[in-house]
Amino acid sequence: QVQLVQSGAEVKKPGASVKVSCKASGYTFTSYGISWVRQAPGQGLEWMGWISAYNGNTNYAQKLQGRVTMTTDTSTSTAYMELRSLRSDDTAVYYCARGRDLTDAFDIWGQGTMVTVSS
Amino acid sequence: QSVLTQPPSASGTPGQRVTISCSGSSSNIGSNYVYWYQQLPGTAPKLLIYRNNQRPSGVPDRFSGSKSGTSASLAISGLRSEDEADYYCAAWDDSLSDNWVFGGGTKLTVL
Repeated sequence: QVQLVQSGAEVKKPGASVKVSCKASGYTFTSYGISWVRQAPGQGLEWMGWISAYNGNTNYAQKLQGRVTMTTDTSTSTAYMELRSLRSDDTAVYYCARGRDLTDAFDIWGQGTMVTVSS
Repeated sequence: QSVLTQPPSASGTPGQRVTISCSGSSSNIGSNYVYWYQQLPGTAPKLLIYRNNQRPSGVPDRFSGSKSGTSASLAISGLRSEDEADYYCAAWDDSLSDNWVFGGGTKLTVL
């Protein structure tokens, strides 16, 4: 079945970086893109950006420009999201979600990865 | 402060019909499709409605979506206990920031 499986929980210190993976299966990876969405504890959803698995084109949320990098490895059907210069307000569950293109629905979601930033 | 405005809570009894509103602006709801996501406690969001009023396969027809101008709404008829969840609206925003925007979420309680 179509699914996205994410890497496990992370605990990082302020100023460090984190890289979360999202492995796709059950569909043609390069026919879709991957968005990353985060959810701080008890809060709503925040879109972080999107990457095309076809050609690697990216579109990042303005507030994260310069701190986030999204990549894909088509040989393993895996997408990655790296966030640098971590702050306490980056503590959140990070989700990857499939979308046909940048402005299309997020139709399949990963299970989420908890990233905790604490000294 | 979310770009799209939803009521923080809604409630209903089993069998009732409830609606959840989502208000935006001309740069998001007014010019793009609206999507709705359901998030059951402790789980990832799930696509419930796409392109204003379309249901993915497997989503019961008790769920319906509509849009008018810069507002949208989600209706749930024949309310069931398993519908108790958080519901989020979303739309692409064509403003300078050019990104996806979400509502703050509505927690639906089935009494």
